[in-house]
Order: sequence, then C-alpha cells, then structure tokens
Amino acid sequence: NAGVTQTPKFRVLKTGQSMTLLCAQDMNHEYMYWYRQDPGMGLRLIHYSVGEGTTAKGEVPDGYNVSRLKKQNFLLGLESAAPSQTSVYFCASSYSSQDPGRNTEAFFGQGTRLTVV
Amino acid sequence: AQSVTQLGSHVSVSEGALVLLRCNYSSSVPPYLFWYVQYPNQGLQLLLKYTSAATLVKGINGFEAEFKKSETSFHLTKPSAHMSDAAEYFCAVTRGGTGTASKLTFGTGTRLQVTL
Repeated sequence: NAGVTQTPKFRVLKTGQSMTLLCAQDMNHEYMYWYRQDPGMGLRLIHYSVGEGTTAKGEVPDGYNVSRLKKQNFLLGLESAAPSQTSVYFCASSYSSQDPGRNTEAFFGQGTRLTVV
Repeated sequence: AQSVTQLGSHVSVSEGALVLLRCNYSSSVPPYLFWYVQYPNQGLQLLLKYTSAATLVKGINGFEAEFKKSETSFHLTKPSAHMSDAAEYFCAVTRGGTGTASKLTFGTGTRLQVTL
C-alpha cells in the first residue's frame, strides 16, 4: 500500500520557469490538499479539493494552480516560478465519512523539495 | 478562524527524561486537534488526535496528550524520552464534523533534541 506518493522528490527551477507537481493516492480518499512548509512557519494550505473536478483556495494560493481530473490525482502547478516559492511541498489526503474522527485524519506524502533560483 | 501556538521552537531533554511539548489553540467552534511528527527529510506522521471523545489521548511511540478546554491547551507528553524521539513536532487544529475537509492549521513546530 503506497499511500500518498509525490513526484518529483527534488527539483531546481529557474525564475520564470513552470512545472507541475504530481500527487497520487491509492486510498480512495475524497479530499486532497497541497501544503507548503517553510522554516519557522509550519505548514500552510495552498489549495485543496473535496472531490474529482472541484478545487478551492487555501491560505496561500497566489502563484499556484491546481487540478483534480481524477479522484486519485491532485496536481499543483507553478506557471512562472519565483524565488519566494522555494519551499518543501506536501500533498495530503483524507476520508469523507460519517465518522468525524476518521474524516479529519490527513495522510501525508514524503514531500517535494523545490528550489527556485 | 482557528490558530495554534506552539511554545518553544526548540526543546532539549536528556534521554529518559520527561518530554513536554506545548500547544495552545484558538477556535470559534469545537476543535479537532492533532500532533504530527516529522523525521528529517520525511513527511508528517500522525502521533495522535483529539476528536471530542476522551480528553486524554494516547498515541504511538508512548506519546499522549490531554485536551483541556479551560486552558485551550493540547500539550504533548512522553514519560521517558528516547534518542529516536528526536524530530520536529507539529500541533494542528481543524474544525470537525462529517463531510468537512481536513483543512489543518498548523503551529510553527517544535524541534525536539534528545541528549545522552
């Protein structure tokens, strides 16, 4: 059982370049999330999705776009990378069920370390 | 709106000593609270969670946390630290309920160092 898998694990971009981060989960979760982690700031929510074909903005959405064309995949795009987007990006997923406790537990991927120079 | 404050960005304890990592929350609705652990260059792993059932929650690796509404706290403890506990710990909060997305709000993290 792979859980949540992120691709790639490391990437270096030049300012202005674009790229897409891929997140795949094999747990049949309805909800998926993208967070970024920066030193001293914890994790902050970029975008999230409550189901296939639906996305919503989180706390820090500017400069990012997302798509959820398939239930198991959640893509994070950077159209024109900036040095401020240097960060570690984490994807997560969670259930939707009638059990509130189960509903809110998020499972995380291993992260993608992105450097924009 | 919800928020979490973790007191102390770095905590150092001796092996065998008590571990206490502090977390205070702010929430306008009954919160669900979590502690996650992150080992170097890895993702986040759930240690334990509070979802309005028992106020004393036991998690993996001997950790536990107590939800205290009057103090708006959810401190993480372990009676005896082990070298393998060295990691970064994150407290997080979300509003609960069925059909809601787990949009976690994280604290800034506490790095635990365990010394011999």
